[in-house]
Amino acid sequence: DGGITQSPKYLFRKEGQNVTLSCEQNLNHDAMYWYRQDPGQGLRLIYYSQIVNDFQKGDIAEGYSVSREKKESFPLTVTSAQKNPTAFYLCASLKSSAMGQSGNTIYFGEGSWLTVV
Amino acid sequence: SQQGEEDPQALSIQEGENATMNCSYKTSINNLQWYRQNSGRGLVHLILIRSNEREKHSGRLRVTLDTSKKSSSLLITASRAADTASYFCATVSFSGGYNKLIFGAGTRLAVHP
Repeated sequence: DGGITQSPKYLFRKEGQNVTLSCEQNLNHDAMYWYRQDPGQGLRLIYYSQIVNDFQKGDIAEGYSVSREKKESFPLTVTSAQKNPTAFYLCASLKSSAMGQSGNTIYFGEGSWLTVV
Repeated sequence: SQQGEEDPQALSIQEGENATMNCSYKTSINNLQWYRQNSGRGLVHLILIRSNEREKHSGRLRVTLDTSKKSSSLLITASRAADTASYFCATVSFSGGYNKLIFGAGTRLAVHP
């Protein structure tokens, strides 16, 4: 079945360490997104990518980095510059066209929990 | 900044009652979508309403969209304990060659047996 796979489900980071969260989709979607969710809060956009080798900063990009070398993959690296990384991270994808489609549905992965130890 | 703003932030009702959640947004949109999230899980798509639609139904769900007021509502009828979750609205707007997805802070719904 098509979908989005995030891994790992749980990750622990030591102080000063970079960690990478994986997001893979086999939906042939063009656009991919990373969100951060703190407990009891909404989703905040970290980075998004419309096509391969292109990505844009969202509202809270500081301390994070991404790459989009393949259409199906959009990994997120949480760097040591992110001082408060403990959160739930969600990856999403959207089938889109250059003109935008009104019928697009957003698909989400199951999320990754990151905790600083 | 978040474009979608849901209210109320939290809603507590009894089984069998209806639950209404509202969402407001600021810019023009292609469509608006409602999602459900159980604690610690990913978001599950509930319903999508296009910018040229005013009302849509799916089972016990009814969504309305008023583009003149830039607002939408989600009604869950005859609620069940299993409906307990957080509900988010998301807007999809196309600008500068990008589809940007913006989520609100969500409404936490508790349905008591």
